[in-house]
Amino acid sequence: GQSLEQPSEVTAVEGAIVQINCTYQTSGFYGLSWYQQHDGGAPTFLSYNGLDGLEETGRFSSFLSRSDSYGYLLLQELQMKDSASYFCAVHAAGNKLTFGGGTRVLVKP
Amino acid sequence: DAGVTQSPTHLIKTRGQQVTLRCSPKSGHDTVSWYQQALGQGPQFIFQYYEEEERQRGNFPDRFSGHQYPNYSSELNVNALLLGDSALYLCASSPQSRGGLFFGPGTRLTVL
Repeated sequence: GQSLEQPSEVTAVEGAIVQINCTYQTSGFYGLSWYQQHDGGAPTFLSYNGLDGLEETGRFSSFLSRSDSYGYLLLQELQMKDSASYFCAVHAAGNKLTFGGGTRVLVKP
Repeated sequence: DAGVTQSPTHLIKTRGQQVTLRCSPKSGHDTVSWYQQALGQGPQFIFQYYEEEERQRGNFPDRFSGHQYPNYSSELNVNALLLGDSALYLCASSPQSRGGLFFGPGTRLTVL
């Protein structure tokens, strides 16, 4: 089976940088993806890492180390609208995803 | 280009009833997955449809069933509803069973 660990909550101020770590244990691994979810909304796809290394998409970057079973999401130049929950998810065969419990990010002025 | 759409947005049912939720995938996507998300938790995989067949299933009882049509749209059916079935039901699509998932807005199901 799969299990993922990520911090439950992170607080930071506008303009700061936040790193959300995700460690996983899995019997089959095809990739790691990240999702943003605002209260009352649906998850929105942010980034996918199928190979080791860094993927950059605007202010958001995601990193994966398969040998360490570890990845992170980096949020730069934080804005108030970035206050949301962020989920990492492990991809198994056939693109079946197992999600972590989510990290609630609170951005303060 | 329409994204993933779901209907209805909200639904209230009583215990023992049956419910059908509907989903149309993003244009160009042929794989549809359904997830259940309880309040404060991450989404839990229910099952996945590709080429009109259930390809994978999570740890959900047989009360949860689905269907995929030739136009790739999909339905989720839940029979004999329990109070614990109250949750946000999310439909997600992806191209050819790979890559990140694109989620619909969800259906909020409340079972009384």
